[in-house]
Amino acid sequence: NAGVTQTPKFQVLKTGQSMTLQCAQDMNHNSMYWYRQDPGMGLRLIYYSASEGTTDKGEVPNGYNVSRLNKREFSLRLESAAPSQTSVYFCASSGFGTEHNYGYTFGSGTRLTVV
Amino acid sequence: AQSVTQLDSQVPVFEEAPVELRCNYSSSVSVYLFWYVQYPNQGLQLLLKYLSGSTLVESINGFEAEFNKSQTSFHLRKPSVHISDTAEYFCAGTNSGGYQKVTFGTGTKLQVIP
Repeated sequence: NAGVTQTPKFQVLKTGQSMTLQCAQDMNHNSMYWYRQDPGMGLRLIYYSASEGTTDKGEVPNGYNVSRLNKREFSLRLESAAPSQTSVYFCASSGFGTEHNYGYTFGSGTRLTVV
Repeated sequence: AQSVTQLDSQVPVFEEAPVELRCNYSSSVSVYLFWYVQYPNQGLQLLLKYLSGSTLVESINGFEAEFNKSQTSFHLRKPSVHISDTAEYFCAGTNSGGYQKVTFGTGTKLQVIP
């Protein structure tokens, strides 16, 4: 089925470990995003990529890096995990240019716990 | 700055009763407005959207929202809720006509009581 695929679905890290969250979309969308979701805080944008070859910081970029590998894939890396990065991470994508493309398509999320 | 405000963090309602989930936006995000739904342990799904034209928009499962420019609101309503509507609902908006950078509200948890 068409959509956004995130891996892994669950992960437990020790403080200081690194990991990469993977995201791929097959809808030929230009824009991709990484959000984190914490109770009572809604979704906060970490990084986004408006188009292939570009990335920009969002609201909470500290402690993260991203790579837009190609049009389909957008990865999020935690270089040295901290307990404050315990969260649910969502990848999303969007197209633009025609009305029916507005709105995001979300992946199913990655639940990350840092101990 | 862009902002979207959801006034209620939780809304309990009895099954088959009507419900309204409130959302207000700042004028800088008035161009396109969305409601997303998140069922437990799942990602967000687009429920409905206002882009232009008719101010009343509907979803396929009976929800509707009305764009009210004078009150800067985009409240979500359903005349009769079902147990299956239990979820968290997010209001969102963007003022971008091309590339999108959407601002999300903090979410409202709808709890339908049998």
